[in-house]
Amino acid sequence: EAQVTQNPRYLITVTGKKLTVTCSQNMNHEYMSWYRQDPGLGLRQIYYSMNVEVTDKGDVPEGYKVSRKEKRNFPLILESPSPNQTSLYFCASSLQGNGYTFGSGTRLTVV
Amino acid sequence: SQKIEQNSEALNIQEGKTATLTCNYTNYSPAYLQWYRQDPGRGPVFLLLIRENEKEKRKERLKVTFDTTLKQSLFHITASQPADSATYLCALDRAFGNEKLTFGTGTRLTIIP
Repeated sequence: EAQVTQNPRYLITVTGKKLTVTCSQNMNHEYMSWYRQDPGLGLRQIYYSMNVEVTDKGDVPEGYKVSRKEKRNFPLILESPSPNQTSLYFCASSLQGNGYTFGSGTRLTVV
Repeated sequence: SQKIEQNSEALNIQEGKTATLTCNYTNYSPAYLQWYRQDPGRGPVFLLLIRENEKEKRKERLKVTFDTTLKQSLFHITASQPADSATYLCALDRAFGNEKLTFGTGTRLTIIP
């Protein structure tokens, strides 16, 4: 089944403890992107990648890192999480000129 | 600054009627516009994409129009059903590619039986 898989689905962590949210797609898509969704603010792009080893900042990149060493994987790294990074995170992938396929989301709470 | 506005936060429509949602944008020159459906706690699901040189696109009971002069897209669901109740998001690319996709905040549609 064609899909974007994110893990974990839920995560509670403490301020400052490094964490990684994994994202993997099995559709050979070149584009991948991370979004966070907050009430009243909608989906905001964190980082995106146009292909392997090509990444760039979205609208809200501060406090996040990404890497794209393989086409299928696009992990999101929070080096030192803070409470304002509590949010619902989505990974998505697409081919150019097509709609995005989204993962099921990761609900992150930073205390 | 670039802005995407979806006409209302919430819209209630009687079952069987046509639901029309609006997406307006300023300071963009998008190559295409996309519509997504999102159910609570789940990821958005892609519905339709319309390119700047297309006026209208249809898929089953869905229809999208794209007016680059008015800077507006309309999304129609005909013969609406309670199962169509969800939040609908429009999204625009900020570059001629698919990497910088910006979303509106969505319209929560409720179909009343």
